[in-house]
Amino acid sequence: ETGVTQSPTHLIKTRGQQVTLRCSSQSGHNTVSWYQQALGQGPQFIFQYYREEENGRGNFPPRFSGLQFPNYSSELNVNALELDDSALYLCASSLMGPAYNEQFFGPGTRLTVL
Amino acid sequence: LAKTTQPISMDSYEGQEVNITCSHNNIATNDYITWYQQFPSQGPRFIIQGYKTKVTNEVASLFIPADRKSSTLSLPRVSLSDTAVYYCLVGDQGGKLIFGQGTELSVKP
Repeated sequence: ETGVTQSPTHLIKTRGQQVTLRCSSQSGHNTVSWYQQALGQGPQFIFQYYREEENGRGNFPPRFSGLQFPNYSSELNVNALELDDSALYLCASSLMGPAYNEQFFGPGTRLTVL
Repeated sequence: LAKTTQPISMDSYEGQEVNITCSHNNIATNDYITWYQQFPSQGPRFIIQGYKTKVTNEVASLFIPADRKSSTLSLPRVSLSDTAVYYCLVGDQGGKLIFGQGTELSVKP
């Protein structure tokens, strides 16, 4: 059984650029959630995908978008990067069901926007 | 929108029991309440999950009153390696997942 993996580990971009972050979910999981975690704060829910459809979204603007693929891996895309987008981006996979909050997190991608 | 409140920090000594409470209102009726542990530069790690009353696993207990407006994570006999940030996670009525702001636990020898 493989755990949740994310790529890249670190990324530096400049304001206005676009970025794509990737996540491979744990084997057998059909749900992926993405979070933004600023330094010293709790993770903030961006959105969740279940079987390739968006299944809930937090208070993030439309320039944050995502995809889930048939193998349940996922991408987070952020357009028109702003300085405040600098954060740790976490992906978590789970199996949708009564206990779907038992999420397994990846190590995160550290994004720095200059 | 669900709102959560946790103490910002707590101090303890090795061998003591630590209880961390999260207050949460407007949570989804059918969702579980989950607690996570996070070390620096790592993703959160699942500790325990419950719906009502008490749940116990090999590392912690979780107490949830009948009104589900709070939950208390109990760590028996903490060690230095339990020094970390602890988060509660709930779902709100609109399908959003809400993490608490985290409780930084410091365990001293």
